Amino acid sequence: QVQLVQSGAEVKKPGASVKVSCKASGYTFTNYYMHWVRQAPGQGLEWMGIINPRGDGTSYAPKFQGRFTMTRDTSTSTLYTELSSLRSEDTAIYYCARAWVNDALDIWGQGTMVTVSS
Amino acid sequence: EIVLTQSPGTLSLSPGERATLSCRASQSVSSNYLGWYQQKPGQAPRLLIYGASSRATGIPDRFSGSGSGTDFTLTISRLEPEDSAVFYCQQYGSSPLTFGGGTKVEIK
Repeated sequence: QVQLVQSGAEVKKPGASVKVSCKASGYTFTNYYMHWVRQAPGQGLEWMGIINPRGDGTSYAPKFQGRFTMTRDTSTSTLYTELSSLRSEDTAIYYCARAWVNDALDIWGQGTMVTVSS
Repeated sequence: EIVLTQSPGTLSLSPGERATLSCRASQSVSSNYLGWYQQKPGQAPRLLIYGASSRATGIPDRFSGSGSGTDFTLTISRLEPEDSAVFYCQQYGSSPLTFGGGTKVEIK
């Protein structure tokens, strides 16, 4: 079946970087855009960015410009995100999700908890 | 950036009742690219409605979406106990994509 499976929980110190993966299966990975969305504990959903099907085009929310990078490996159908210069406010569950062009996010990963703590 | 304001913050209703959730945008949502998601505790969000009024695959017909421009509504016609969740609207017509703050639906 169609699914997105994300990597496991991470604990990082302030100032460090974290890389989270999201492996797609059950559909043609290169037909869909991919998004990252995060959710701080007890808070709402926050859109972070999007990458196009070929992996050569990205767009990020302004607050993440400069320390957030999305990449995708079409040979392994895997999406990656890297967030650098981590601070405590980055503690959140990070979700990957797929979407057709100009469409809603129809399939979501299970989420990856990232904890930033000294 | 388009700001989405959801109301009410919390809705407490009995099974079988009708729930009406509102999502208001700070400017017109391009091509009615508005989606609704349901999130239960400890789970990822699930897409319910896309294009303001189209039900996603497998979504029961008691869920319906309506609206256009800046005012959108999600209606749950007959609440079931399993509908207890937080519901979010999202616009995907212009970047950055944005979510509303959510409406929590409690079943009495």
